[in-house]
Amino acid sequence: ILNVEQSPQSLHVQEGDSTNFTCSFPSSNFYALHWYRWETAKSPEALFVMTLNGDEKKKGRISATLNTKEGYSYLYIKGSQPEDSATYLCAFGGSNYKLTFGKGTLLTVNP
Amino acid sequence: EAQVTQNPRYLITVTGKKLTVTCSQNMNHEYMSWYRQDPGLGLRQIYYSMNVEVTDKGDVPEGYKVSRKEKRNFPLILESPSPNQTSLYFCATGREGQFYGYTFGSGTRLTVV
Repeated sequence: ILNVEQSPQSLHVQEGDSTNFTCSFPSSNFYALHWYRWETAKSPEALFVMTLNGDEKKKGRISATLNTKEGYSYLYIKGSQPEDSATYLCAFGGSNYKLTFGKGTLLTVNP
Repeated sequence: EAQVTQNPRYLITVTGKKLTVTCSQNMNHEYMSWYRQDPGLGLRQIYYSMNVEVTDKGDVPEGYKVSRKEKRNFPLILESPSPNQTSLYFCATGREGQFYGYTFGSGTRLTVV
């Protein structure tokens, strides 16, 4: 079973703070890295899919970077809002067509 | 409207009573997968399917069966459920495997007593 690690496990920030979290994954047999946002009592929703080393993606105040050589991705949230509170999941896609998820980072934004 | 329909949303059953959780998608996605979510363990893949009649084991396939007779449907079958299969289950679909984001169903909360 592949090891996909996310840190921190949980994070509390104040409204307006910028924050970031990390996803570490195997640097071999890499095909894609996914980020998902999972709100309580809902289903995970795709944020980004990145496939190339050095990829950067942005959606509003959220952005992500990818380093496949060293096996990590960062997710950044600029100016956090209470509605950003959710669990953020990353998932590693390898050559076997399986998508392996990390355990997630639980973000709580306090008003 | 593009969607993944998963049923039932909630189910309480007894040990050994066969059950099926259905998953249907209207997006013509090739790839479909089942995950279970347990506290502290994250989403773990049970089975996946690259296309009709093509299925493969994920990381935790024991005690589960799947079939992909039609492109839109990917049911999860528990032939003889046990209490350790109590979990939150998600169906997910996508185009061409992992190069596009998955769309998840609304989840099935299963309790086996």
